[in-house]
Amino acid sequence: EAGVAQSPRYKIIEKRQSVAFWCNPISGHATLYWYQQILGQGPKLLIQFQNNGVVDDSQLPKDRFSAERLKGVDSTLKIQPAKLEDSAVYLCASSFWDKTTNYGYTFGSGTRLTVV
Amino acid sequence: GENVEQHPSTLSVQEGDSAVIKCTYSDSASNYFPWYKQELGKRPQLIIDIRSNVGEKKDQRIAVTLNKTAKHFSLHITETQPEDSAVYFCAASRGTNAGKSTFGDGTTLTVKP
Repeated sequence: EAGVAQSPRYKIIEKRQSVAFWCNPISGHATLYWYQQILGQGPKLLIQFQNNGVVDDSQLPKDRFSAERLKGVDSTLKIQPAKLEDSAVYLCASSFWDKTTNYGYTFGSGTRLTVV
Repeated sequence: GENVEQHPSTLSVQEGDSAVIKCTYSDSASNYFPWYKQELGKRPQLIIDIRSNVGEKKDQRIAVTLNKTAKHFSLHITETQPEDSAVYFCAASRGTNAGKSTFGDGTTLTVKP
């Protein structure tokens, strides 16, 4: 079974530039999550999608971060403009959620962003 | 919201010894507690989880214990091997939506051959 695909693997940008990350979940997984993992910390949830709808974006810094999942499959996360403190690994995860239980919850390998 | 604290931040053991990592949580309504292993540059992978109606769960060399009254849970790895070297994260969530877990800050385990 193919896993959660993310690209690019690495990205280096200057502060105030824009950047976008892409995630393709496991086939059939309606639930998709984006996390920010700062070095030395655990993943922190940014946004959760169920199909193409946002379920929870309470921790997404909406002044500079945006995410979409227009067709309910792959998703993009954008930062505009980037700040130095946005340097982190951005992880995507997906699962099948039947309203009571997660099935097959799996992380992607992440995109390592360095803002200089 | 939920707050998860994890200790120690680094742990070094000799091959064959046991390793114990401890986590505390703040939300008494949390009832799902997964543990993840993350090797350098790789994705976090679920290694074991426990639900609040169970006090202990074991899978070969790894076990997890949960004390709901004290709001803490622990990961135990016995007969450690060099390939156990990684960062281990605990997490806690309400319900069974693993994706909404609050994570600890991780423990870097080094197993010396």
